[in-house]
Amino acid sequence: AQRVTQPEKLLSVFKGAPVELKCNYSYSGSPELFWYVQYSRQRLQLLLRHISRESIKGFTADLNKGETSFHLKKPFAQEEDSAMYYCALTGTGGGNKLTFGTGTQLKVEL
Amino acid sequence: NAGVMQNPRHLVRRRGQEARLRCSPMKGHSHVYWYRQLPEEGLKFMVYLQKENIIDESGMPKERFSAEFPKEGPSILRIQQVVRGDSAAYFCASSLGQGLNTEAFFGQGTRLTVV
Repeated sequence: AQRVTQPEKLLSVFKGAPVELKCNYSYSGSPELFWYVQYSRQRLQLLLRHISRESIKGFTADLNKGETSFHLKKPFAQEEDSAMYYCALTGTGGGNKLTFGTGTQLKVEL
Repeated sequence: NAGVMQNPRHLVRRRGQEARLRCSPMKGHSHVYWYRQLPEEGLKFMVYLQKENIIDESGMPKERFSAEFPKEGPSILRIQQVVRGDSAAYFCASSLGQGLNTEAFFGQGTRLTVV
């Protein structure tokens, strides 16, 4: 069975500090990993996906198959980064049938 | 393009009533997914539909829940004889296709409260 674990419900950092949102997964094949973000009163939206290897809004995430992790990182947190972040995966050929983690609320304080 | 539209945004039903949740996908999208989010949990996949077909309903409860995506009109998630445990946020997403690099766009969700 596939599973996504986000161990932190809430992560509070100061503006300008580095951010790391943890995500570990369990999947027997080759998964495709995603990070979704939900800003206050807005809909869930895709932040980045590992196959595109992009940096979006300063965030990056590297898939570590050895540690089965896909942590989201940003070197310097901004106030506008405060949001709910969800890690998700889909299996080979799974398309948009996603398995989500429980989410981490990021709070960036001034 | 207004994005994925879900209505109603909030729905209150008494136990035993029926709940109908609607999802209008983005223009041109023929793939629709429904997810449920219980309090303190992540979104859980329920069902994947293409126009007039249910492709994968592995996440749907076997009883009381049904989904459709007719040729014309929105996708409907129907919950019969609702119980308190059905209280949750229900999200719909749509995509152009199912392959790699096909992004799913989410609606704002319907919050169902069963009293």
